Amino acid sequence: GQNIDQPTEMTATEGAIVQINCTYQTSGFNGLFWYQQHAGEAPTFLSYNVLDGLEEKGRFSSFLSRSKGYSYLLLKELQMKDSASYLCAVLDSNYQLIWGAGTKLIIKP
Amino acid sequence: DADVTQTPRNRITKTGKRIMLECSQTKGHDRMYWYRQDPGLGLRLIYYSFDVKDINKGEISDGYSVSRQAQAKFSLSLESAIPNQTALYFCATSDLRGGDSGANVLTFGAGSRLTVL
Repeated sequence: GQNIDQPTEMTATEGAIVQINCTYQTSGFNGLFWYQQHAGEAPTFLSYNVLDGLEEKGRFSSFLSRSKGYSYLLLKELQMKDSASYLCAVLDSNYQLIWGAGTKLIIKP
Repeated sequence: DADVTQTPRNRITKTGKRIMLECSQTKGHDRMYWYRQDPGLGLRLIYYSFDVKDINKGEISDGYSVSRQAQAKFSLSLESAIPNQTALYFCATSDLRGGDSGANVLTFGAGSRLTVL
């Protein structure tokens, strides 16, 4: 079966750096997405990786290793507004999105 | 106004009732999706549509039906609601014309929270 694994919850301190990991086992791979979802709100797109390596976008970076079935989202200079759930999703060989359950990130002052 | 609008935002109903959730979009995207989200689970795809004449079942279509009334409108129906359909429902759109970097990026509506008693 297809599977996306992420930690359920993480806690970090304002101003610090946090890395949220995502491992996947899917039938084929056509890209990996990260979305941010604040409580009670819609998910919003953060990043897309299809080739190995690091994609940097401001305070957020996303890394992909296709051979290891692994990605991480790196958040720098954490702010209180970064408290949210972070969803990892993989586009499989049929171009269907497979979603992880999400990682709830709690930022403490 | 939001790019993707869902109505109603909240609904409480009783077992056996028919419920319709509506979604409209102003992004001009061809592709529309209905997902449900449950605590501790990833988003699960119910139905998707690549254009007005193309409707496809997703991972969990049993107990649901959809209608694509126009490019901009995609509604989800529960013919006879049951308690385990209590969930947060999201409509989303995407535009394959985004190319490699934008392909399949989803724009979500604000969600419809449905409670079936």
